[in-house]
Amino acid sequence: GDSVTQMEGPVTLSEEAFLTINCTYTATGYPSLFWYVQYPGEGLQLLLKATKADDKGSNKGFEATYRKETTSFHLEKGSVQVSDSAVYFCALTPSGNTPLVFGKGTRLSVIA
Amino acid sequence: GAVVSQHPSWVICKSGTSVKIECRSLDFQATTMFWYRQFPKQSLMLMATSNEGSKATYEQGVEKDKFLINHASLTLSTLTVTSAHPEDSSFYICSAPVLAGVDEQFFGPGTRLTVL
Repeated sequence: GDSVTQMEGPVTLSEEAFLTINCTYTATGYPSLFWYVQYPGEGLQLLLKATKADDKGSNKGFEATYRKETTSFHLEKGSVQVSDSAVYFCALTPSGNTPLVFGKGTRLSVIA
Repeated sequence: GAVVSQHPSWVICKSGTSVKIECRSLDFQATTMFWYRQFPKQSLMLMATSNEGSKATYEQGVEKDKFLINHASLTLSTLTVTSAHPEDSSFYICSAPVLAGVDEQFFGPGTRLTVL
């Protein structure tokens, strides 16, 4: 079945450091890919998404590019802030109106 | 954006009691809702798909008699944990696609269940 693998955390960075969280997927067909963020004590929020190969999703300084050839959707941010501390989940859905398949999540801590 | 609410946000109950969790779509109609379970520091695992007006579809290994799901209207799905035990303690999250055929989903804030 479909699956998502993302790098295990926790990841600890200093403020203004560069962030990469790796995510690879296994799926039949052409899934849509997502990054969700979960701040402490809160529910999941959509961070960005991409629906087809070579699409780049971006939001709040975060970016991820849908790479079909490497089946990857790595999350990057050029300069992290303390407020970015959260758990980040990579996810996919094979098609509309179907449940998401999540990676295990990566906890990011940014220290001042 | 679309809003999904859950109630209660947290609940503590004694072993053997039943707990009902509500998931509401506040500004859109949701013919389908998904229920997930999240253990501490782990990912979300799909429990079941809730369909308005029909029976829920449960994932393998999820006891349908223990986790009762009712999708009575286009804006409300409920999850009832029957005869709860400490191992049922978890974070329960619902989500709903905004539009049929659209891949984006909105998540409720979650309900933390603690069974003593």
